[in-house]
Amino acid sequence: DSGVTQTPKHLITATGQRVTLRCSPRSGDLSVYWYQQSLDQGLQFLIQYYNGEERAKGNILERFSAQQFPDLHSELNLSSLELGDSALYFCASSARGEQFFGPGTRLTVL
Amino acid sequence: GQQLNQSPQSMFIQEGEDVSMNCTSSSIFNTWLWYKQDPGEGPVLLIALYKAGELTSNGRLTAQFGITRKDSFLNISASIPSDVGIYFCAGRDSGAGSYQLTFGKGTKLSVIP
Repeated sequence: DSGVTQTPKHLITATGQRVTLRCSPRSGDLSVYWYQQSLDQGLQFLIQYYNGEERAKGNILERFSAQQFPDLHSELNLSSLELGDSALYFCASSARGEQFFGPGTRLTVL
Repeated sequence: GQQLNQSPQSMFIQEGEDVSMNCTSSSIFNTWLWYKQDPGEGPVLLIALYKAGELTSNGRLTAQFGITRKDSFLNISASIPSDVGIYFCAGRDSGAGSYQLTFGKGTKLSVIP
């Protein structure tokens, strides 16, 4: 158990809808990272937050947004969903260079 | 952007054999990490490397941070069935204050009992 929690574990929704994925980092970690992993693909970095502030952006679509709250949990919002958004979404937290991953949310868009 | 080339893409080995996989980068990293991912699960950190030339072991796993800072390898000795999974390397850019990682595309390991 990495200490990073993510909810929900699975999410099935329809095209055009909006969903919110939630992540709680390890106790004491200030940084949260979001990644997308499509079938047979590696991990694509989406965005990072550090202590409530956006720190870095990767290949994140404009339809996607994230935030980190004062209690350090983070939410990833995905809107106007398309079939191609079906993927595993992971969050990770870190205190230094090592990132510890949560169990992921499997999003299926029908 | 930065590119990580991880090889091989997949491997089939007999139980008990040793395994070697590596990553090369087009640019310098100051941290290399190796992760293992089981199907449907999150990646689990295996080994972290912080210094060029560093050789670190974790049980049957050994990883090295290349002297050029552009490569790393992971060895698994005496493989067992539970070693099955996808192994990812990841590098951290020396200039990035965000600790952002770049991941390789993974090496899928299958162990034949």
